[in-house]
Amino acid sequence: AQRVTQPEKLLSVFKGAPVELKCNYSYSGSPELFWYVQYSRQRLQLLLRHISRESIKGFTADLNKGETSFHLKKPFAQEEDSAMYYCALRGDNFNKFYFGSGTKLNVKP
Amino acid sequence: DGGITQSPKYLFRKEGQNVTLSCEQNLNHDAMYWYRQDPGQGLRLIYYSQIVNDFQKGDIAEGYSVSREKKESFPLTVTSAQKNPTAFYLCASKGTGSYEQYFGPGTRLTVT
Repeated sequence: AQRVTQPEKLLSVFKGAPVELKCNYSYSGSPELFWYVQYSRQRLQLLLRHISRESIKGFTADLNKGETSFHLKKPFAQEEDSAMYYCALRGDNFNKFYFGSGTKLNVKP
Repeated sequence: DGGITQSPKYLFRKEGQNVTLSCEQNLNHDAMYWYRQDPGQGLRLIYYSQIVNDFQKGDIAEGYSVSREKKESFPLTVTSAQKNPTAFYLCASKGTGSYEQYFGPGTRLTVT
């Protein structure tokens, strides 16, 4: 069965420190992975998609099929990165998505 | 923030009453979704619709019902059979062939 696991409910780092938000998935086929972000008082929005292989707001994520992981990384965290981050998977049904439980990132000054 | 709207922002109901949450989009998207967001549990899919007059159950459909009579609208009814209805409900939509879901602002339902 499809499953997305985000093991950390809360991650606190200091400004300027590296950050890594973990995401592991379970899927038998070829998944498509995403990271969504929800800033305070804003809507949930797409941050990045693994196929794009681009850096958004300094964040990158690499799909590791061997470890079934899609961790989100940023070398130098900023206070404005504080938000709730959700990892999501799309499988063979292009219209159905599975979300993880979310990680709250708190970047301290 | 246009495109997809949910109303009302806050909703209060007594136990045993059905309540309908509104979701409207003007993005011309075919697919629409309802998620429930609970602390520590993330987003769980209740129902989704890929096209007008068609919808599928998600992972936690029990106690909920939906309709999709118009492309723009996907209302969710929380019935009295839903054991723990108090939650934050998010609606989303997605265009055909696209990968990005667009989310509404959410409705917080409190049942007492």
